Amino acid sequence: DAKTTQPTSMDCAEGRAANLPCNHSTISGNEYVYWYRQIHSQGPQYIIHGLKNNETNEMASLIITEDRKSSTLILPHATLRDTAVYYCIVRVGGYQLIWGAGTKLIIKP
Amino acid sequence: SQTIHQWPATLVQPVGSPLSLECTVEGTSNPNLYWYRQAAGRGLQLLFYSVGIGQISSEVPQNLSASRPQDRQFILSSKKLLLSDSGFYLCAWSVRREGNTEAFFGQGTRLTVV
Repeated sequence: DAKTTQPTSMDCAEGRAANLPCNHSTISGNEYVYWYRQIHSQGPQYIIHGLKNNETNEMASLIITEDRKSSTLILPHATLRDTAVYYCIVRVGGYQLIWGAGTKLIIKP
Repeated sequence: SQTIHQWPATLVQPVGSPLSLECTVEGTSNPNLYWYRQAAGRGLQLLFYSVGIGQISSEVPQNLSASRPQDRQFILSSKKLLLSDSGFYLCAWSVRREGNTEAFFGQGTRLTVV
């Protein structure tokens, strides 16, 4: 069973910031939050991960609430190429990532 | 730079036939290797992972097996395919480092068992 809850789908206008929420209310103190995205019929692409602190890289920013029960992935300037399914994942144990159904993000021109 | 190759891209096999999917990684040594399966409209399910040659761990019981004959080669096999084995199979690798499971995926194999 997935340990995260995400909206099924979201729309965002091209050039605007896309904010993708994720709830992980049962997360444990040592469990990381990972974000991946999958463009149709391709392998997933790693975006970012974090434990407690907010993280930023060249692709996105990850904001984790202080109680760690939710997080938001931010794509600062969405492009049409960012249309994909975005997965918020909690790392459980050694090698297992529990994948949910993700959020289908559609960037509209 | 590291690359991961997975083939074939698509495969149609009859029920009861054998299966062999191959995955190789270039540009890194001693990677962790993974096989995932994805049902339509669903997230990924981890099938097998390997931390070294000949070391295979299975996450779910199934009609499939995995082998790692070389450091950067990971093979997914079945002796007799079932209809329920249809799906999108993904190979992935990650750096062998405690606390890090940032994984890099291949392009996947879409298997249809008929």
